[in-house]
Amino acid sequence: RKEVEQDPGPFNVPEGATVAFNCTYSNSASQSFFWYRQDCRKEPKLLMSVYSSGNEDGRFTAQLNRASQYISLLIRDSKLSDSATYLCVVIHNQGGKLIFGQGTELSVKP
Amino acid sequence: NAGVTQTPKFQVLKTGQSMTLQCAQDMNHNSMYWYRQDPGMGLRLIYYSASEGTTDKGEVPNGYNVSRLNKREFSLRLESAAPSQTSVYFCASSPQGGPGELFFGEGSRLTVL
Repeated sequence: RKEVEQDPGPFNVPEGATVAFNCTYSNSASQSFFWYRQDCRKEPKLLMSVYSSGNEDGRFTAQLNRASQYISLLIRDSKLSDSATYLCVVIHNQGGKLIFGQGTELSVKP
Repeated sequence: NAGVTQTPKFQVLKTGQSMTLQCAQDMNHNSMYWYRQDPGMGLRLIYYSASEGTTDKGEVPNGYNVSRLNKREFSLRLESAAPSQTSVYFCASSPQGGPGELFFGEGSRLTVL
């Protein structure tokens, strides 16, 4: 079983839709969580951190469920420019290595 | 703002050839990383350097060596390239030795024939 798992998609949604991605992690010692965004053939870039209480940045909301060991990303009012691959990242307390999920592809259509 | 710079951006090798991927960052970051990205596999850590003078193996170190030349530069060497090393390689840096935001280079696309 992979340490961090994501539904690879693709998720095809119309503009204006709300879409949610989940990411599960297997190591209960994981302490820090992030969502990265990667455009086609580009490098990943940090989208947002995920805090225990949940956090929001504009149209994006991230949540953490430690009991069930998953994090989620909700995108409201999808834009064409949101089309990208979204990578879940988990950091273990020991060693501080970042573990990436395989990514979820989102395609927003007009 | 240069950030993290990788060279070369594209390379084609024959099986058995060697090459070095160069990476430099101008953000005065302590930690640097090399990842490879393959379809359906996500980013996998090859080697990392928590600080100048130290290097450690990641998830997939076999077939690679690294050198942390100074605080700015972290190179990845393939001594005898194999087709299984065909991938996109990303260098990254972060400002602290532990958890934190990663800043990635634009990637190096390597094909081994």
